[in-house]
Amino acid sequence: GAVVSQHPSRVICKSGTSVKIECRSLDFQATTMFWYRQFPKKSLMLMATSNEGSKATYEQGVEKDKFLINHASLTLSTLTVTSAHPEDSSFYICSATGQGFGETQYFGPGTRLLVL
Amino acid sequence: LAKTTQPISMDSYEGQEVNITCSHNNIATNDYITWYQQFPSQGPRFIIQGYKTKVTNEVASLFIPADRKSSTLSLPRVSLSDTAVYYCLVGVMNTGFQKLVFGTGTRLLVSP
Repeated sequence: GAVVSQHPSRVICKSGTSVKIECRSLDFQATTMFWYRQFPKKSLMLMATSNEGSKATYEQGVEKDKFLINHASLTLSTLTVTSAHPEDSSFYICSATGQGFGETQYFGPGTRLLVL
Repeated sequence: LAKTTQPISMDSYEGQEVNITCSHNNIATNDYITWYQQFPSQGPRFIIQGYKTKVTNEVASLFIPADRKSSTLSLPRVSLSDTAVYYCLVGVMNTGFQKLVFGTGTRLLVSP
């Protein structure tokens, strides 16, 4: 299957700082990438959808100025959590899909963010 | 997007067959059914996808009745490593991309 990577796998930062998370499709061109957030013992919640070269579409309730998403190439999308606060601590997961994959999304391994 | 309903949790023992049923009463004509598996602190892993009848791959089978209002994921001879959360999702194929809405999932616990 298609491989999606994320970097870093975990990050600890101080409150008020910004954190960037990378999502890469390693062996396919990802025309669309998705960012999810998952709290402990909870299901994944879609934050935003991004298509290569265009602005991301955010889900209701997700602050676009706080969670900056860039999908500048067909293999890379980044999520930047700006001015992070402890309540932003969560597990962030990206997924990607491309031509020929139908509706199958392939997920990255996730990034654990802890804001102190 | 069709809503899915699954049991919150299931228990099984090693070597048994496990069937997890998902209901999706409002599934649309173009919707496909996809199942993902998730281990703690990992991203979901694609298991199987189908539209109707039966689909089988090396890890699971997916049974979909004619009315498509439900589906059953069948895991043959589970092992301890199959302990995970299993998500059933429905979405539209061939529209560029599908927005996935994850439900609560089914937490499967396999015991020795």
